Amino acid sequence: LAKTTQPISMDSYEGQEVNITCSHNNIATNDYITWYQQFPSQGPRFIIQGYKTKVTNEVASLFIPADRKSSTLSLPRVSLSDTAVYYCLVGPFTGRRALTFGSGTRLQVQP
Amino acid sequence: NAGVMQNPRHLVRRRGQEARLRCSPMKGHSHVYWYRQLPEEGLKFMVYLQKENIIDESGMPKERFSAEFPKEGPSILRIQQVVRGDSAAYFCASSPRDREYGGETQYFGPGTRLLVL
Repeated sequence: LAKTTQPISMDSYEGQEVNITCSHNNIATNDYITWYQQFPSQGPRFIIQGYKTKVTNEVASLFIPADRKSSTLSLPRVSLSDTAVYYCLVGPFTGRRALTFGSGTRLQVQP
Repeated sequence: NAGVMQNPRHLVRRRGQEARLRCSPMKGHSHVYWYRQLPEEGLKFMVYLQKENIIDESGMPKERFSAEFPKEGPSILRIQQVVRGDSAAYFCASSPRDREYGGETQYFGPGTRLLVL
């Protein structure tokens, strides 16, 4: 499984755009990139998933360069409620189903 | 449509007792996963089950831990003779049946926080 590296923590202020970058240098051809969000005392929640280029949904955007060795989760205009831990996961759609979580990025949004 | 349900939310056990954690997947989901999370760490996969079958238990300790997902009823994660090191949050996730074009999202429950005294 591809190993992921992401910053341990980030700070931001309400209304700002937050970009969290994840490195996955040994990503495989059939690997997808998925981001989960986890609030304290809750289970992780799926945010977004992509394979290449750019994916956008109502919550976030995911930018993936052509070499796919990294990806950036972009949260537009964060609010206090976006304070959470964000996990970048890399793995195939098929085959082993278990998700591999790293330590994640702890985002703290200040007023 | 109710999400993944887990109970109890909090469980306190003394060393040597048994802990039983229950997970009801989302309606229509036939795949269940159990993960364990220690404080300040990411989730660690334990076991993946389909109805009446254990598909992947590579993350489960060989002793004292067992899991089942019967034809009827919730999935159960059972920890026998608990020790202090078993104190953690245990999360269950579920996903729907395989889709031909692949890909799935796992939906997580709120977790059971086990404290072993």
